[in-house]
Amino acid sequence: NAGVTQTPKFRILKIGQSMTLQCTQDMNHNYMYWYRQDPGMGLKLIYYSVGAGITDKGEVPNGYNVSRSTTEDFPLRLELAAPSQTSVYFCASSYTRSSGNTIYFGEGSWLTVV
Amino acid sequence: DQQVKQNSPSLSVQEGRISILNCDYTNSMFDYFLWYKKYPAEGPTFLISISSIKDKNEDGRFTVFLNKSAKHLSLHIVPSQPGDSAVYFCAASEANAGKSTFGDGTTLTVKP
Repeated sequence: NAGVTQTPKFRILKIGQSMTLQCTQDMNHNYMYWYRQDPGMGLKLIYYSVGAGITDKGEVPNGYNVSRSTTEDFPLRLELAAPSQTSVYFCASSYTRSSGNTIYFGEGSWLTVV
Repeated sequence: DQQVKQNSPSLSVQEGRISILNCDYTNSMFDYFLWYKKYPAEGPTFLISISSIKDKNEDGRFTVFLNKSAKHLSLHIVPSQPGDSAVYFCAASEANAGKSTFGDGTTLTVKP
């Protein structure tokens, strides 16, 4: 029962490097999300997707890119990493209903930019 | 403008007593509210939710109360247990909207 799986768990990047955080879900959810959590802060939405081929910006999209070629996968690309992108990143998914949606999160990816 | 606010960054209670975590929101279009629980080094997990058509939802030791006129909700944990020690996030969403807006979280510590 995998749920939402994201990799890598930990990564150290040098300023200016690029990398991709991988995320896959096996629950056939239509919505997928990327959040970041800075120390002592809440979850800020970076990007989200309502289905394959459709993505949209969240609250803090600058410095990131996403794609959604399949229902299952939603990778997050960091271009030209900056120290401000040091954070914990959570991928998540949900099946939206009129009664609301429960979001299922991955275990997180700890990223440090030095 | 933060639409979902958890004004208490931390809360400490004694085992067996009641824990009350509070959340305020400003967007009157929110109609579905959720609480998530997060342990260190793990992702948040869903705890309990409430629709705006209700004012109370109960699940075992956890009860969520919603006061729409005050734009306020609270999570009650009775009795509190040491295993409840975690960060609790309040979240809200609009009807048919996939996005949820999260508060900054309240760290609950339950002392044995």
